[in-house]
Amino acid sequence: DAGVIQSPRHEVTEMGQEVTLRCKPISGHDYLFWYRQTMMRGLELLIYFNNNVPIDDSGMPEDRFSAKMPNASFSTLKIQPSEPRDSAVYFCASSQGVFSYEQYFGPGTRLTVT
Amino acid sequence: DAKTTQPPSMDCAEGRAANLPCNHSTISGNEYVYWYRQIHSQGPQYIIHGLKNNETNEMASLIITEDRKSSTLILPHATLRDTAVYYCIVRVRNTDKLIFGTGTRLQVFP
Repeated sequence: DAGVIQSPRHEVTEMGQEVTLRCKPISGHDYLFWYRQTMMRGLELLIYFNNNVPIDDSGMPEDRFSAKMPNASFSTLKIQPSEPRDSAVYFCASSQGVFSYEQYFGPGTRLTVT
Repeated sequence: DAKTTQPPSMDCAEGRAANLPCNHSTISGNEYVYWYRQIHSQGPQYIIHGLKNNETNEMASLIITEDRKSSTLILPHATLRDTAVYYCIVRVRNTDKLIFGTGTRLQVFP
Protein backbone atom coordinates (compact mmCIF):
# COMPACT_ATOMS: atom_id res chain seq x y z
CA ASP A 1 0.00 0.00 0.00
CA ALA A 2 1.19 3.51 -0.76
CA GLY A 3 0.26 4.80 2.66
CA VAL A 4 -1.85 7.85 3.35
CA ILE A 5 -1.72 10.24 0.42
CA GLN A 6 -2.18 13.97 0.77
CA SER A 7 -2.35 16.67 -1.85
CA PRO A 8 -1.11 19.18 -2.49
CA ARG A 9 2.13 18.92 -0.53
CA HIS A 10 2.55 22.67 -0.53
CA GLU A 11 -0.03 25.39 -0.98
CA VAL A 12 0.50 29.12 -1.05
CA THR A 13 -2.55 31.31 -1.28
CA GLU A 14 -3.69 34.81 -0.56
CA MET A 15 -5.88 35.79 2.34
CA GLY A 16 -9.55 35.43 1.51
CA GLN A 17 -9.11 32.60 -0.98
CA GLU A 18 -10.66 29.18 -0.61
CA VAL A 19 -8.27 26.34 0.12
CA THR A 20 -9.02 22.64 -0.29
CA LEU A 21 -6.76 19.96 1.12
CA ARG A 22 -7.20 16.36 0.06
CA CYS A 23 -6.53 13.02 1.65
CA LYS A 24 -6.69 9.41 0.54
CA PRO A 25 -6.56 7.03 3.49
CA ILE A 26 -5.05 3.55 3.45
CA SER A 27 -7.42 1.08 1.83
CA GLY A 28 -9.46 -0.81 4.41
CA HIS A 29 -9.01 1.75 7.15
CA ASP A 30 -12.30 2.98 8.55
CA TYR A 31 -11.06 5.91 10.63
CA LEU A 32 -9.73 9.14 9.21
CA PHE A 33 -8.25 12.04 11.19
CA TRP A 34 -7.32 15.61 10.29
CA TYR A 35 -4.63 17.36 12.36
CA ARG A 36 -3.03 20.78 12.22
CA GLN A 37 0.50 21.53 13.42
CA THR A 38 1.96 24.93 14.22
CA MET A 39 4.94 26.03 16.27
CA MET A 40 2.71 27.82 18.73
CA ARG A 41 0.02 25.19 19.28
CA GLY A 42 1.74 21.94 18.37
CA LEU A 43 -0.21 19.08 16.84
CA GLU A 44 -3.97 19.51 17.20
CA LEU A 45 -6.75 17.12 16.24
CA LEU A 46 -9.33 18.97 14.16
CA ILE A 47 -11.88 16.28 13.28
CA TYR A 48 -12.18 12.58 12.78
CA PHE A 49 -14.46 10.26 10.83
CA ASN A 50 -15.55 6.68 11.26
CA ASN A 51 -17.00 4.92 8.22
CA ASN A 52 -17.24 8.30 6.48
CA VAL A 53 -19.30 9.84 9.29
CA PRO A 54 -17.88 12.72 11.34
CA ILE A 55 -17.58 11.60 14.95
CA ASP A 56 -15.90 14.52 16.68
CA ASP A 57 -15.33 17.95 15.18
CA SER A 58 -14.70 19.74 18.45
CA GLY A 59 -11.22 20.69 17.31
CA MET A 60 -12.35 22.56 14.22
CA PRO A 61 -11.36 26.14 14.96
CA GLU A 62 -14.32 27.98 13.45
CA ASP A 63 -16.96 27.98 10.76
CA ARG A 64 -14.42 28.81 8.10
CA PHE A 65 -13.23 25.22 8.36
CA SER A 66 -15.21 22.29 7.01
CA ALA A 67 -14.38 18.66 6.33
CA LYS A 68 -16.12 16.01 4.30
CA MET A 69 -15.65 12.37 3.56
CA PRO A 70 -17.87 11.45 0.62
CA ASN A 71 -16.54 7.90 0.40
CA ALA A 72 -14.10 5.55 2.08
CA SER A 73 -11.18 6.57 -0.07
CA PHE A 74 -11.36 10.34 -0.06
CA SER A 75 -11.64 13.26 2.34
CA THR A 76 -11.30 17.01 2.03
CA LEU A 77 -10.58 19.80 4.47
CA LYS A 78 -11.71 23.17 3.24
CA ILE A 79 -10.93 26.63 4.54
CA GLN A 80 -13.07 29.47 3.26
CA PRO A 81 -12.04 32.25 3.50
CA SER A 82 -8.43 31.58 4.44
CA GLU A 83 -6.50 33.83 6.83
CA PRO A 84 -2.77 34.16 7.56
CA ARG A 85 -3.25 32.50 10.96
CA ASP A 86 -4.35 29.33 9.13
CA SER A 87 -0.77 28.87 7.95
CA ALA A 88 0.32 25.48 9.25
CA VAL A 89 1.09 21.91 8.26
CA TYR A 90 -2.09 19.86 7.94
CA PHE A 91 -1.81 16.11 8.44
CA CYS A 92 -4.26 13.42 7.56
CA ALA A 93 -4.09 10.04 9.30
CA SER A 94 -6.04 6.81 9.08
CA SER A 95 -6.47 3.74 11.24
CA GLN A 96 -8.28 0.44 11.20
CA GLY A 97 -10.84 -0.92 13.62
CA VAL A 98 -12.30 0.16 16.88
CA PHE A 99 -9.75 1.70 19.24
CA SER A 100 -6.95 0.84 16.90
CA TYR A 101 -3.64 1.68 18.49
CA GLU A 102 -1.83 2.82 15.38
CA GLN A 103 -2.65 5.82 13.29
CA TYR A 104 -0.82 6.12 9.99
CA PHE A 105 0.01 9.68 9.07
CA GLY A 106 0.40 11.18 5.64
CA PRO A 107 3.28 13.46 4.68
CA GLY A 108 1.25 16.60 5.35
CA THR A 109 0.29 19.69 3.40
CA ARG A 110 2.21 22.85 4.21
CA LEU A 111 -0.20 25.76 3.85
CA THR A 112 0.97 29.35 3.67
CA VAL A 113 -1.61 32.11 3.58
CA THR A 114 -0.20 35.53 2.72
CA ASP B 1 -5.36 19.03 27.10
CA ALA B 2 -2.58 16.49 27.05
CA LYS B 3 -2.51 14.29 30.12
CA THR B 4 1.23 13.71 29.98
CA THR B 5 4.37 15.60 31.00
CA GLN B 6 7.70 15.13 29.23
CA PRO B 7 11.06 16.91 29.38
CA PRO B 8 11.39 19.31 26.45
CA SER B 9 14.70 17.97 25.23
CA MET B 10 17.31 15.25 25.73
CA ASP B 11 20.64 14.26 24.23
CA CYS B 12 21.98 10.79 23.64
CA ALA B 13 25.23 9.48 22.20
CA GLU B 14 24.97 7.27 19.17
CA GLY B 15 24.99 3.59 20.11
CA ARG B 16 23.86 4.24 23.65
CA ALA B 17 20.42 3.61 25.07
CA ALA B 18 18.02 6.53 25.02
CA ASN B 19 15.60 6.57 27.96
CA LEU B 20 12.72 8.97 27.51
CA PRO B 21 10.54 9.53 30.60
CA CYS B 22 6.87 10.43 30.70
CA ASN B 23 4.63 11.34 33.59
CA HIS B 24 0.92 10.51 33.38
CA SER B 25 -0.17 10.65 36.99
CA THR B 26 -3.89 11.10 36.20
CA ILE B 27 -4.17 8.10 33.92
CA SER B 28 -7.29 5.96 34.37
CA GLY B 29 -7.30 2.21 34.79
CA ASN B 30 -8.20 1.34 31.21
CA GLU B 31 -6.31 4.05 29.39
CA TYR B 32 -3.40 3.04 27.21
CA VAL B 33 -0.07 4.83 26.90
CA TYR B 34 1.13 5.41 23.35
CA TRP B 35 4.42 6.62 21.97
CA TYR B 36 4.81 8.29 18.61
CA ARG B 37 7.74 10.11 17.09
CA GLN B 38 8.03 12.81 14.48
CA ILE B 39 11.14 13.15 12.42
CA HIS B 40 11.63 16.61 11.01
CA SER B 41 9.11 17.54 8.30
CA GLN B 42 7.41 14.14 8.38
CA GLY B 43 4.14 12.93 9.81
CA PRO B 44 4.19 11.29 13.24
CA GLN B 45 5.03 7.60 13.35
CA TYR B 46 3.69 5.04 15.82
CA ILE B 47 6.31 3.36 18.01
CA ILE B 48 4.68 1.31 20.74
CA HIS B 49 1.83 1.22 23.23
CA GLY B 50 1.00 -0.47 26.52
CA LEU B 51 -1.50 -0.74 29.34
CA LYS B 52 0.13 -2.32 32.37
CA ASN B 53 2.87 -4.67 31.34
CA ASN B 54 6.19 -3.81 29.80
CA GLU B 55 6.21 -4.07 26.03
CA THR B 56 8.92 -4.57 23.44
CA ASN B 57 8.95 -4.48 19.68
CA GLU B 58 11.54 -4.07 16.97
CA MET B 59 11.76 -0.34 17.55
CA ALA B 60 11.71 0.14 21.31
CA SER B 61 10.76 -1.03 24.77
CA LEU B 62 8.14 0.52 27.00
CA ILE B 63 8.44 0.29 30.75
CA ILE B 64 5.33 1.25 32.75
CA THR B 65 5.57 1.65 36.51
CA GLU B 66 3.40 -0.54 38.68
CA ASP B 67 1.18 2.37 39.70
CA ARG B 68 0.96 3.35 36.00
CA LYS B 69 1.71 6.99 36.81
CA SER B 70 4.79 7.11 34.64
CA SER B 71 6.55 5.27 31.86
CA THR B 72 9.85 5.19 30.02
CA LEU B 73 10.47 4.62 26.34
CA ILE B 74 13.79 2.93 25.70
CA LEU B 75 15.62 2.99 22.38
CA PRO B 76 18.29 0.36 23.10
CA HIS B 77 20.92 1.50 20.60
CA ALA B 78 20.18 5.01 19.41
CA THR B 79 21.26 6.03 15.91
CA LEU B 80 21.42 9.43 14.27
CA ARG B 81 18.17 8.59 12.48
CA ASP B 82 16.42 8.42 15.85
CA THR B 83 16.76 12.18 16.21
CA ALA B 84 13.14 13.30 16.44
CA VAL B 85 10.41 14.63 18.70
CA TYR B 86 8.95 11.83 20.82
CA TYR B 87 5.38 12.09 22.02
CA CYS B 88 3.96 10.22 24.98
CA ILE B 89 0.17 10.10 24.72
CA VAL B 90 -2.67 8.80 26.83
CA ARG B 91 -5.61 8.04 24.59
CA VAL B 92 -8.82 9.75 25.60
CA ARG B 93 -11.00 7.16 27.26
CA ASN B 94 -13.50 5.34 25.04
CA THR B 95 -12.57 7.35 22.00
CA ASP B 96 -10.07 7.19 19.19
CA LYS B 97 -8.66 10.62 20.00
CA LEU B 98 -4.95 11.01 20.56
CA ILE B 99 -4.06 14.30 22.24
CA PHE B 100 -0.47 15.18 21.43
CA GLY B 101 1.49 17.22 23.95
CA THR B 102 4.72 19.07 23.33
CA GLY B 103 6.90 15.97 23.36
CA THR B 104 10.63 15.49 23.98
CA ARG B 105 13.09 16.55 21.33
CA LEU B 106 15.75 13.83 21.28
CA GLN B 107 19.07 14.73 19.71
CA VAL B 108 21.37 11.80 19.00
CA PHE B 109 24.95 12.91 18.49
CA PRO B 110 27.93 11.05 16.98
